[in-house]
Amino acid sequence: EIVLTQSPGTLSLSPGERATLSCRASQSVRNSYLAWYQQKPGQAPRLLIFSASSRATGIPDRFSGSGSGTDFTLTISRLEPEDFAVYYCQQYGISPVTFGQGTKVEVK
Amino acid sequence: EVQLVQSGAEVKKPGESLKISCQGSGYSFTSYWIGWVRQMPGKGLEWMGIIFPGDSDARYSPSFQGQVTMSVDKSISTAYLQWSSLKASDTATFYCARQGGRGGMDVWGQGTTVTVSS
Repeated sequence: EIVLTQSPGTLSLSPGERATLSCRASQSVRNSYLAWYQQKPGQAPRLLIFSASSRATGIPDRFSGSGSGTDFTLTISRLEPEDFAVYYCQQYGISPVTFGQGTKVEVK
Repeated sequence: EVQLVQSGAEVKKPGESLKISCQGSGYSFTSYWIGWVRQMPGKGLEWMGIIFPGDSDARYSPSFQGQVTMSVDKSISTAYLQWSSLKASDTATFYCARQGGRGGMDVWGQGTTVTVSS
């Protein structure tokens, strides 16, 4: 099974700053089948990015994804107050599907 | 509106059985895989498995194989997750989610919280 390691565990930033989140896979993710999700307390996760770099429907363009192989990045260009949340990466290229452990983006 | 609506919270005792549901609407239910995701209290997301409502083809994560059973009733656009004998360690919130045609889990249910306690 592919293990996804997200870093950092917690990111402390201010609104307006840029956030860079990393997701590293223990082996190459087939076809860059890598997704990113946002989860706020008490809510279900929300799909942000699929296929490493494609934004899901309705996702603002301040969210962008990049990477291939084993290294992937989610970038939030300018943090809005509603962006403070936990972010998870997920690979769905090789069974079983796996999630990273999450990165919490908190207000500094 | 495309949505998945899950059954309500459950409180059970160890050893009891349980079946929770996830009803889809606003799209062709039989055309998209439905996945299940566990989130234990204060923890991250764990992929449990996926089922195709069109033919009930089910694939389980090795971590959950034999521990739960996924099923569907396509006549009422509903997917199920069931346990035959609950343990305290099954306490968690369980989400169903549609596997999007372009990738990723694009529509999520609101979650069902299961508490197992004696």
